[in-house]
Order: sequence, then C-alpha cells, then structure tokens
Amino acid sequence: SQTIHQWPATLVQPVGSPLSLECTVEGTSNPNLYWYRQAAGRGLQLLFYSVGIGQISSEVPQNLSASRPQDRQFILSSKKLLLSDSGFYLCAGTIGGYNSPLHFGNGTRLTVT
Amino acid sequence: SQKIEQNSEALNIQEGKTATLTCNYTNYSPAYLQWYRQDPGRGPVFLLLIRENEKEKRKERLKVTFDTTLKQSLFHITASQPADSATYLCALPGSASGGSYIPTFGRGTSLIVHP
Repeated sequence: SQTIHQWPATLVQPVGSPLSLECTVEGTSNPNLYWYRQAAGRGLQLLFYSVGIGQISSEVPQNLSASRPQDRQFILSSKKLLLSDSGFYLCAGTIGGYNSPLHFGNGTRLTVT
Repeated sequence: SQKIEQNSEALNIQEGKTATLTCNYTNYSPAYLQWYRQDPGRGPVFLLLIRENEKEKRKERLKVTFDTTLKQSLFHITASQPADSATYLCALPGSASGGSYIPTFGRGTSLIVHP
C-alpha cells in the first residue's frame, strides 16, 4: 500500500521568508498528488494537484507554488511567506481510478510569525 | 455552487452508545461518497466509500447510509469507545483530473466518546 511522507512536522517561519515543504510517496507509481491546507476549525482547502511529472494545477490563487520534479515527489514552495499562510499543510495521493480514496501524510504545521 | 455540510458542533456521547454523524450536500449528484477519520495533528484516514446505488455499507462497527433523494449520508459507529473520539470528514467527488475526481471535503464533525 502507498505511504505518504511529509516533513517537517512543524515549522515556524518569519514573515517574508521562503518555504519549501516536501512530500514523497512510497509503494506506488504514477500517483495523482495533492496539496491541501487546513486552517483551524476549517475544512480542507485544495491548493494544488498533479497528475504527473511537471504537471501542476492550481485551485486557488496563492502566495504559494508547487512543483513535481519526480514521479513520487511533490514540493510546496513560497518565495515570501505571509501571516495568512499559517496552517496545517497536508499532502495526499491516490493511485487513480475514479473513486480511489486519498492517502494522506501526517502534515506540516506551519506558523508564520 | 456545490456545498457539503457537516455539523460543526461536537457530538458528545457515552461509551457504548451509537454515534450518528450527518453529511448533507447541495448542488451535487455524486456517484459516491467517502468518509474519513482525522485525529488531532494527523492527516485524515480513509474509512468507507459508498456508491450512489448502495443504500448502506458496513465495516465492523461502522455503518454508512446514502440517500440520494435527501442528499444526505449518515455515518454510524455502534458500541462507541473513547478511542473512536476524532473528527470525521465526509468527501464527495469534485472536479475531474487524471482519470479520477478530486475529493471535496466537508469541515468535519468532532466526536467525543466519554467513558
């Protein structure tokens, strides 16, 4: 079964600093990959998804970007963090099929100060 | 626009009782619905999927119903235990990508089972 690895688990960054969160997938190939953000008391907001290497779709205009340099690697980045970027970032993947469930990593808690 | 509603108030029940959580949706005609469990500080974990042509699905102490007329799914945990305390999310297929549909999630309902 597939496993989603995310790191770091927690991160405190000052406003204006860059960000790079990495997600790697184990146990499958050609997954669809997703970045979600979950604000306190809020639902999961889809940020980006990718169906293959170099293919990124953005769902919400953000101060963030994503890249997929390898089949099982998905990176979330920012050049300059804003206070509003604080939240719980989750990477998820699915091996496809129209009703496949998502497998999530354990998330990164980002606090921008 | 499509909307998924889950009760934002926490559900408090006593151990051994049946917990029932509700997921309502509007402006959807989903082919299926998924339920996930999320523990604090962790990513959601998939529990069950129910298709539009299935009225009910069971897995151990879990039962899910899907009423496409009412546009509602009910999630039941029988003989609840304190370890069942978590937030439960429902998800419906949203936009399509790469041969699958991107799940869109409700905000979740927190379940607290008291010993």
